[in-house]
Amino acid sequence: DVKVTQSSRYLVKRTGEKVFLECVQDMDHENMFWYRQDPGLGLRLIYFSYDVKMKEKGDIPEGYSVSREKKERFSLILESASTNQTSMYLCASSLKQGTTDTQYFGPGTRLTVL
Amino acid sequence: DAKTTQPPSMDCAEGRAANLPCNHSTISGNEYVYWYRQIHSQGPQYIIHGLKNNETNEMASLIITEDRKSSTLILPHATLRDTAVYYCIVRVALVNNDMRFGAGTRLTVKP
Repeated sequence: DVKVTQSSRYLVKRTGEKVFLECVQDMDHENMFWYRQDPGLGLRLIYFSYDVKMKEKGDIPEGYSVSREKKERFSLILESASTNQTSMYLCASSLKQGTTDTQYFGPGTRLTVL
Repeated sequence: DAKTTQPPSMDCAEGRAANLPCNHSTISGNEYVYWYRQIHSQGPQYIIHGLKNNETNEMASLIITEDRKSSTLILPHATLRDTAVYYCIVRVALVNNDMRFGAGTRLTVKP
């Protein structure tokens, strides 16, 4: 089974703090993704990476950065957390299967910024 | 633009088959149909996907109509643990920025 783990299930931070969200996958997947999920807005892509040290902006990268130093680990960084970044953060990784790829998600981190 | 249409909610009796419909009338020839589910406060779980043939795995079956404009996810023997929001997604193969979850169908399995 594919295993995608995230460092925390719940996190509470204060406005202005630097926040690190870690994601690790154990299936040697090339692609990794960070999403946020908010009620009524669905899933929105923040950043993704298709190789070590490579990153691509998604739909809403502002206020976030990412780091991928090793293939299995993809970190999301909130440089200065703000209350509008309170959300559920989901990490995913993807395996190419023939002509398509399937994304597998972690359990999510519910971040609250006070 | 919503690429898929699903009923907002459905009920199913425990032990019976749950049939979840999805309309995707504007699907393109290179788009796959994917199904995920999300149990409350957890990450989405991959269920199954297909291009044009029916597919079956240990979790479910996917029936795609011949014109590919609609599909049905079948959970053959629903259990209480299958209560979740089910998402039908159409996406182009190997394009990374295209996981568009709509509102989904909230399936409630009742004893």
